[in-house]
Amino acid sequence: SQTIHQWPATLVQPVGSPLSLECTVEGTSNPNLYWYRQAAGRGLQLLFYSVGIGQISSEVPQNLSASRPQDRQFILSSKKLLLSDSGFYLCAWSALDSGANVLTFGAGSRLTVL
Amino acid sequence: GQNIDQPTEMTATEGAIVQINCTYQTSGFNGLFWYQQHAGEAPTFLSYNVLDGLEEKGRFSSFLSRSKGYSYLLLKELQMKDSASYLCAVSDSNYQLIWGAGTKLIIKP
Repeated sequence: SQTIHQWPATLVQPVGSPLSLECTVEGTSNPNLYWYRQAAGRGLQLLFYSVGIGQISSEVPQNLSASRPQDRQFILSSKKLLLSDSGFYLCAWSALDSGANVLTFGAGSRLTVL
Repeated sequence: GQNIDQPTEMTATEGAIVQINCTYQTSGFNGLFWYQQHAGEAPTFLSYNVLDGLEEKGRFSSFLSRSKGYSYLLLKELQMKDSASYLCAVSDSNYQLIWGAGTKLIIKP
């Protein structure tokens, strides 16, 4: 069966510090991978998605970046965090070429920037 | 623009039935999803509708009318553990998901 791991679960970072959130998927090959951010009272905001190694699509211009160094690894990074980067970050995967495109989410990472 | 509308919050009684509505305006349509999200946790998939009609899955059912841009999630025999947010999402012409802000469902004993 497929599993998705995301870490860290919680982090508090000062403004201007770097960020690295990591996500790995097990039990499947060549998944679509996603990074979402969820702000209180708002819908999920797609930040990045990837259909393969080294293939990253950015949906929202900002100071975040993503990388996919391996087939089942997806990393969200920032060189300098802003206060507005605080939120709940969710990694997700879906099967390639899935018409139904059902997403399976990781447990999430709650980021507080002070 | 693309838009998903659903009520912000609903309250229901344990054992009762509740219907959560979702209306959408999107560029293309490749299906509508409902997800459940407990506080502080990740969303989990509940249902998928791509054709008009009702899909039943245990206590939960989801309905779709593509001509009206409308869906609802019906929860029967409510239990306290059903207290959660319910997210409606539509897959557009590019298979990208457009998400509603979610409906927080509060169950009272």
